[in-house]
Amino acid sequence: EAGVVQSPRYKIIEKKQPVAFWCNPISGHNTLYWYRQNLGQGPELLIRYENEEAVDDSQLPKDRFSAERLKGVDSTLKIQPAELGDSAVYLCASSLGVQGKYEQYFGPGTRLTVT
Amino acid sequence: KQEVTQIPAALSVPEGENLVLNCSFTDSAIYNLQWFRQDPGKGLTSLLLIQSSQREQTSGRLNASLDKSSGRSTLYIAASQPGDSATYLCAVNSNSGYALNFGKGTSLLVTP
Repeated sequence: EAGVVQSPRYKIIEKKQPVAFWCNPISGHNTLYWYRQNLGQGPELLIRYENEEAVDDSQLPKDRFSAERLKGVDSTLKIQPAELGDSAVYLCASSLGVQGKYEQYFGPGTRLTVT
Repeated sequence: KQEVTQIPAALSVPEGENLVLNCSFTDSAIYNLQWFRQDPGKGLTSLLLIQSSQREQTSGRLNASLDKSSGRSTLYIAASQPGDSATYLCAVNSNSGYALNFGKGTSLLVTP
């Protein structure tokens, strides 16, 4: 069974440019998460989807970040415009159900460098 | 807000030693606790998941315990190997939300 797929794996952009990350969760997983991991830190949640609905986006900087999950499967996270402080690893995860008892599975991440 | 702390931040041991990584959390109202492994430049690999009703989980040379009332978990690695070198992250899924709250991790180096 395929795991969580993310692309691109690496991205280098200049500040003020837009960037987008794509995630394909494990088949059948209804819940999808986007986390951001800064260097030397643990990941922090940006947004959580249950099917197509964004049910927790309280930590998403909405002035420049946006996300969508069309048809409740793949998801895209966008930053526009990017700032130097956005340099981090962006991780996508998915789980089978909406309750906290389900294990979360992570993708390999996208490493973003903003110059 | 749930705070997760991992001690030590870094650890270096010779091959073959048994070792313990520690994790503490401030709010005992949790669904579960997960231990992850992260290799440099890679994503997170789930090692063990302990539900709030459980006391421990084992997988091969790994054993994780959970004491919810005291807000503590330990990850025990038996007979360490150089391939165990990685960063180990503890994450708590709190009753107040469904996202994981992570510690900063313990960076483990096992020397031959």
